Amino acid sequence: GESVGLHLPTLSVQEGDNSIINCAYSNSASDYFIWYKQESGKGPQFIIDIRSNMDKRQGQRVTVLLNKTVKHLSLQIAATQPGDSAVYFCAEMGVRGGKLIFGQGTELSVKP
Amino acid sequence: DAGVIQSPRHEVTEMGQEVTLRCKPISGHDYLFWYRQTMMRGLELLIYFNNNVPIDDSGMPEDRFSAKMPNASFSTLKIQPSEPRDSAVYFCASSFKSDRPYETQYFGPGTRLLVL
Repeated sequence: GESVGLHLPTLSVQEGDNSIINCAYSNSASDYFIWYKQESGKGPQFIIDIRSNMDKRQGQRVTVLLNKTVKHLSLQIAATQPGDSAVYFCAEMGVRGGKLIFGQGTELSVKP
Repeated sequence: DAGVIQSPRHEVTEMGQEVTLRCKPISGHDYLFWYRQTMMRGLELLIYFNNNVPIDDSGMPEDRFSAKMPNASFSTLKIQPSEPRDSAVYFCASSFKSDRPYETQYFGPGTRLLVL
């Protein structure tokens, strides 16, 4: 669905703690999911992706979990650092590929 | 690799003027996407091309918006005439088709448009 609203959900964490950012996606037929990070004044940057035939994928300090039953996606960031402060978007893509649908975004703020 | 290049980075114009945004995708990429980002509507896909051909323009708001891709290394998004509600950040992204079923889109830095 569309992203509506003036204020993004915000998550505030202490440096060194783990962060969990959640996303509810809209289409049960979506087959591919991506997390993007967007720092202030920059374009979205790819973090990690996952196919619908998986329920977990790990990268460097990041883990994505997919629960297709409830159409839920989460991004876990281990040992959160000040440089992780940004807006995080989940995005979904259908089986035909091409078109990404972005979620509303969550603003992560890391306190030193 | 220089990444996706967009110009101008900032544009301030008056209502009714024509605005042209430019994008150079990553060399070798055969998909190009134009997005618009606002606080109210988030990140929206406007149009995307594959091998320079428009595939889906259902996100283009109205006839005032047009996009072209004359060759594999250049695309434009034009707004004529511009209106204050067009003020937003416009992103270009590109990706390439390989043997993977889905490709990561790489975003440019964006053009910040303000229409007065």
